[in-house]
Amino acid sequence: DTGVSQDPRHKITKRGQNVTFRCDPISEHNRLYWYRQTLGQGPEFLTYFQNEAQLEKSRLLSDRFSAERPKGSFSTLEIQRTEQGDSAMYLCASRGLAGTWETQYFGPGTRLLVL
Amino acid sequence: KQEVTQIPAALSVPEGENLVLNCSFTDSAIYNLQWFRQDPGKGLTSLLLIQSSQREQTSGRLNASLDKSSGRSTLYIAASQPGDSATYLCAVSPYNTDKLIFGTGTRLQVFP
Repeated sequence: DTGVSQDPRHKITKRGQNVTFRCDPISEHNRLYWYRQTLGQGPEFLTYFQNEAQLEKSRLLSDRFSAERPKGSFSTLEIQRTEQGDSAMYLCASRGLAGTWETQYFGPGTRLLVL
Repeated sequence: KQEVTQIPAALSVPEGENLVLNCSFTDSAIYNLQWFRQDPGKGLTSLLLIQSSQREQTSGRLNASLDKSSGRSTLYIAASQPGDSATYLCAVSPYNTDKLIFGTGTRLQVFP
């Protein structure tokens, strides 16, 4: 399977705990994106990488959130001291460098529930 | 600030009907506009991508149009089927950034 994969698919945690999600993009895709989607809303941009460089971060990405892509391949998104408002679907996407005529390919998402 | 709005929020129709979903955006400085499909609890699947210089794109029973100057796009679904039931999201790619800005979606139900 050459699609975008995310792990875990579901995560339940207690408020105050730290969680980490992983995204494996399509092979050789240089760009990797993270979005957050709450119930009934469209996805909201969090951050994106070109290779290992983090090029843009949304103001939604508070100090409790950190994302990395250390070798320009997979990426991790960590949330520290989770809050109930962090409950959402976290989506990862990747894209090559073909330009604006290429779509972003999305993974299945990680659904987070903070109790 | 770019804002994307989709109307209607929800739609329920009998099988076989032709449908029009609407998307509007506030800033015409975009590279492209895309329509995605999302099944419950799943990721997004790209349906159609229209470059800013194009007027429409077609794929099977789907046709999307773009009027950049008026900030509008429509997704036309011909001869709807129950398998078309999903949420349809519109997204724009603004100039000078590589992110997508999404609307809130139209939840479509096609019943037999």
